[in-house]
Amino acid sequence: SQQGEEDPQALSIQEGENATMNCSYKTSINNLQWYRQNSGRGLVHLILIRSNEREKHSGRLRVTLDTSKKSSSLLITASRAADTASYFCATDGAHQAGTALIFGKGTTLSVSS
Amino acid sequence: DTAVSQTPKYLVTQMGNDKSIKCEQNLGHDTMYWYKQDSKKFLKIMFSYNNKELIINETVPNRFSPKSPDKAHLNLHINSLELGDSAVYFCASSQDWGVGEQFFGPGTRLTVL
Repeated sequence: SQQGEEDPQALSIQEGENATMNCSYKTSINNLQWYRQNSGRGLVHLILIRSNEREKHSGRLRVTLDTSKKSSSLLITASRAADTASYFCATDGAHQAGTALIFGKGTTLSVSS
Repeated sequence: DTAVSQTPKYLVTQMGNDKSIKCEQNLGHDTMYWYKQDSKKFLKIMFSYNNKELIINETVPNRFSPKSPDKAHLNLHINSLELGDSAVYFCASSQDWGVGEQFFGPGTRLTVL
């Protein structure tokens, strides 16, 4: 079953503005990851945050995790046209034999110049 | 060098046919995955192999059969294709079993007519 839900579903901003995407999930996790998917391409890993971490940075990306609220946010600062893509959060889900990533539906970000 | 490659990139076929999608990774990873992404961009795990052994087999029709001849390859064979099988299929790999970063292939867009 689906674990993560991104919000908003779609976001349109101007170059230079910041973009914030949120993700909520349902069950306990070991870590949460964010991926980017450009149109017609595969997913690219952006950042992983562990359940005992609250914030993580990578270049223009800032991810926060609030396990008490079962939510995470991805902030892209000073956005560029090249940031136009779909962004997915993914959490580890329990299976009988192990774990696998469970993806949300994604946020489609459009950055116009 | 392409880390995770898939062939073909596009596959158009008639209902009832049998088709295969091939996946290869040159990252030396132990674990490989197949995901299905529907028209709404919802990405769902189908199968996972670790060291050539099937670990996860989600609720997919038994018309779908994965085969892993070695650690670097995970192929997906689909029998008796149906209209609802139309989707983008992604192969991915990760260093080991567990839920760390996954590396995705470019995807195979399957269209069943």
